[in-house]
Amino acid sequence: DAKTTQPTSMDCAEGRAANLPCNHSAISGNEYVYWYRQIHSQGPQYIIHGLKNNETNEMASLIITEDRKSSTLILPHATLRDTAVYYCIVQNAGNNRKLIWGLGTSLAVNP
Amino acid sequence: NAGVTQTPKFRILKIGQSMTLQCTQDMNHNYMYWYRQDPGMGLKLIYYSVGAGITDKGEVPNGYNVSRSTTEDFPLRLELAAPSQTSVYFCASTTAGESYEQYFGPGTRLTVT
Repeated sequence: DAKTTQPTSMDCAEGRAANLPCNHSAISGNEYVYWYRQIHSQGPQYIIHGLKNNETNEMASLIITEDRKSSTLILPHATLRDTAVYYCIVQNAGNNRKLIWGLGTSLAVNP
Repeated sequence: NAGVTQTPKFRILKIGQSMTLQCTQDMNHNYMYWYRQDPGMGLKLIYYSVGAGITDKGEVPNGYNVSRSTTEDFPLRLELAAPSQTSVYFCASTTAGESYEQYFGPGTRLTVT
């Protein structure tokens, strides 16, 4: 079973920041938090990952709480093309890098 | 780089038929995976491989077989297709390096009737 809990769906206005939460209270010390998204049945796309520190790239920012039990993916200026299902996954590199997928959060960006 | 490619994009099979879904990656990745995704659900791991000649079962391997004779190719074989295998199939690959995000193909949409 997936080790993360995410809201089923969220809405966001175009141009505003989208903040997607994820709970992973059972995360182990050597497990990373990964975020992927899937746009309309296309292949999932990697967004960002982190271990302890906050991370930022050209797509998004990842904020991980100090106790690592939860995280938030931030899309700073959401566009209509960001409408997708967002998956939060914890992964241990030692487990043959296998990903266990939950149901994700369906984000709708509205004009 | 083309990344991960999958063929065919769509296929309709009759019950009991067999087929092979092709997956090729040109990134020299060691790790490759096959997933299936049913409507409204997350991805389920079918089989995976950590290198040429090495494969192992995932969460839902029944009804499928794989082989990995080269680094680039990881075909998925369906024998005796059943309606329960109607799904979208994704192939993915990742590196053995420190940063191990998975790269996905566009998927194969399979219908068994």
